[in-house]
Amino acid sequence: GENVEQHPSTLSVQEGDSAVIKCTYSDSASNYFPWYKQELGKGPQLIIDIRSNVGEKKDQRIAVTLNKTAKHFSLHITETQPEDSAVYFCAASISGGFKTIFGAGTRLFVKA
Amino acid sequence: EAGVTQFPSHSVIEKGQTVTLRCDPISGHDNLYWYRRVMGKEIKFLLHFVKESKQDESGMPNNRFLAERTGGTYSTLKVQPAELEDSGVYFCASSRGANYGYTFGSGTRLTVV
Repeated sequence: GENVEQHPSTLSVQEGDSAVIKCTYSDSASNYFPWYKQELGKGPQLIIDIRSNVGEKKDQRIAVTLNKTAKHFSLHITETQPEDSAVYFCAASISGGFKTIFGAGTRLFVKA
Repeated sequence: EAGVTQFPSHSVIEKGQTVTLRCDPISGHDNLYWYRRVMGKEIKFLLHFVKESKQDESGMPNNRFLAERTGGTYSTLKVQPAELEDSGVYFCASSRGANYGYTFGSGTRLTVV
């Protein structure tokens, strides 16, 4: 079935460094790729998304890239801060965009 | 606008008992989803409502799980009878339509003992 693979499962970086999380997807019909951040005790929150008609999107310190040919997409966080510490989920839409398949999550630790 | 609300936030029940989870989506969001996350794994799809209709329930594990969305507003997810493997965090989310991001609730942590 359709799936989304996410790596790494855990990532620890020093404050100010960059963090990169990578995902691959299996359904070539997927055309919407959101990223969610989950803080302790809260539900996942949409932080950025990208659609298949663009290769890159940036919003302040976060950026996403998409390679449709290789079915890869990545999240880049620059100048990391302790408040970036959370679990990050990548996801891909299937079934005409009404269903979203999630990766297993990456726990990011930013050390002060 | 008010977010997605889930109740209860935590539930501990014994194996064989019944539990009902509730979700109130964002007003005007026709699409409502239930997901579950077990033991640090992926957030797994359970089902999708469009208004009061079940659009896709392919992720429902078995017939012990029953979801309803009467009137197309709030939704309930009932587990009866609960088994140990049903433990996890159940998330509800709503969205405006296809290829739009979800707004998630804070989840219900279900523990079956």
